[in-house]
Amino acid sequence: TQLLEQSPQFLSIQEGENLTVYCNSSSVFSSLQWYRQEPGEGPVLLVTVVTGGEVKKLKRLTFQFGDARKDSSLHITAAQPGDTGLYLCADNTDKLIFGTGTRLQVFP
Amino acid sequence: NAGVTQTPKFRILKIGQSMTLQCTQDMNHNYMYWYRQDPGMGLKLIYYSVGAGITDKGEVPNGYNVSRSTTEDFPLRLELAAPSQTSVYFCASGRQGDGTEAFFGQGTRLTVV
Repeated sequence: TQLLEQSPQFLSIQEGENLTVYCNSSSVFSSLQWYRQEPGEGPVLLVTVVTGGEVKKLKRLTFQFGDARKDSSLHITAAQPGDTGLYLCADNTDKLIFGTGTRLQVFP
Repeated sequence: NAGVTQTPKFRILKIGQSMTLQCTQDMNHNYMYWYRQDPGMGLKLIYYSVGAGITDKGEVPNGYNVSRSTTEDFPLRLELAAPSQTSVYFCASGRQGDGTEAFFGQGTRLTVV
């Protein structure tokens, strides 16, 4: 059974700071996704990466897929309170399995 | 656009009672999923389905059952509710398994007392 470990588990920062969240797998991803979940809502897809070494940018968010396709990172530049939420990586190879999650709180 | 609709939104059950959580999607997606999310935690896959008539176990299937008689509907059945099943349950659907977006319902908050 594939295990997706995310770190850190919790992150509490001030507005304007930068941060990086990590996702590590016990096996190779075919495709890796990042979702964000806000309180009381279901997760919403941010990005899908499929190629080792791939980098994708979504405004202030930068997603990187490891060369060996067993790890990924999400970097947020100049975090804003609207970035607050639970960030989840997921393996969507044949069924959708989620990581342990990183809960981010950005204070004004 | 309705998307993925879950009912009910909230429910309180007594130990040993049974209930069915309903999930319907109107996007003609072949894949559907059920997850549970405990407080402060990520999502754990309970069951999933790759199409009508086909279901398979996820990471935490014990205590639950599902059926998929139509493309649109994927109900989750709890037969003998236990306090350990207190959680928020999410249903999701997607067009296929490899790399495409999954769309989630609003969740059902279940408390077993």
